[in-house]
Amino acid sequence: QVQLQESGPGLVKPSETLSLRCSVSGGSTITSGYYWSWIRQPPGKGLEWIGYVSYTGSTSYNPSLRSRVTISLDPPKNQFSLRLSSATPADTAVYYCARETGSYDASFDFWGQGTLVSVSS
Amino acid sequence: QSVLTQPPSASGTPGQRVTISCSGSVSNIGSNFVYWYQQLPGTAPKLLIYRSNQRPSGVPDRFSGSKSGTSASLAISGLRSEDEADYYCATWDDRLSGPVFGGGTKLTVL
Repeated sequence: QVQLQESGPGLVKPSETLSLRCSVSGGSTITSGYYWSWIRQPPGKGLEWIGYVSYTGSTSYNPSLRSRVTISLDPPKNQFSLRLSSATPADTAVYYCARETGSYDASFDFWGQGTLVSVSS
Repeated sequence: QSVLTQPPSASGTPGQRVTISCSGSVSNIGSNFVYWYQQLPGTAPKLLIYRSNQRPSGVPDRFSGSKSGTSASLAISGLRSEDEADYYCATWDDRLSGPVFGGGTKLTVL
C-alpha cells in the first residue's frame, strides 16, 4: 500500500516562497508510469491541480501557476517537493500530494492527508 | 470558476437513489475519461470512479458512473448516512494540458 505524507511550514509570509515536501512509502517515485502531483484546496472551496513531476523528472504545471511553481523529484529520499514563489493570501489552502497513474489523465489513486498552509504576515 | 460544472448541493433520504451531474466541453469530458472523488469531512479525497464507469476495489457497487458526450454523472443507489460527503468530478483538459476538477457537490443525507 502506497502512503504519502506532506511536510513543511504551516505559515508563510506574503511574498515569500511556500515550500513543501511529500514523502512516499510503499512504492518508488521512479516506478515507470507514475506522476507525482500537488493539488490544493482553499478553505471551503474546491480542488485545484498545481502540477506534477513524472518518474523521469519531467514536469507539467497548471498554466495559472506556471510562472511561480517548481516541482522536483528526490529519488534517493523517495520524496518530491513543491515550491511556490511570491506567495499571497490567495495561496492559503490545504495542500495535498497525490500519485497520478498516467499522463493525460486525472486518476489520483493515493493521496496524502493534506497540510494546511496559511499565507499571512 | 471551475472548468467543469457541478450542482453545489444534492440531497436524498436513506435508501434513495441520487445522481450528481458534471458538465464540461469537447476539450475535456468530450475527449477523455471522467473520474469521481469522494471527500468525507476533514479528509483527503478518495478515488470513487475511474475511466468514467469503473470502480476501484473496495468501492461498493451502489456507486456508478456514466458519461455521454460532454457530460457525466455519478449515481448513488441505496443511499446511506455515511455517503454524506463532497463529490468532485475530474478529467484531463486537452486545451489546458492538465487535469481539471468540478466545483464539487455537497451531498446531504436527510
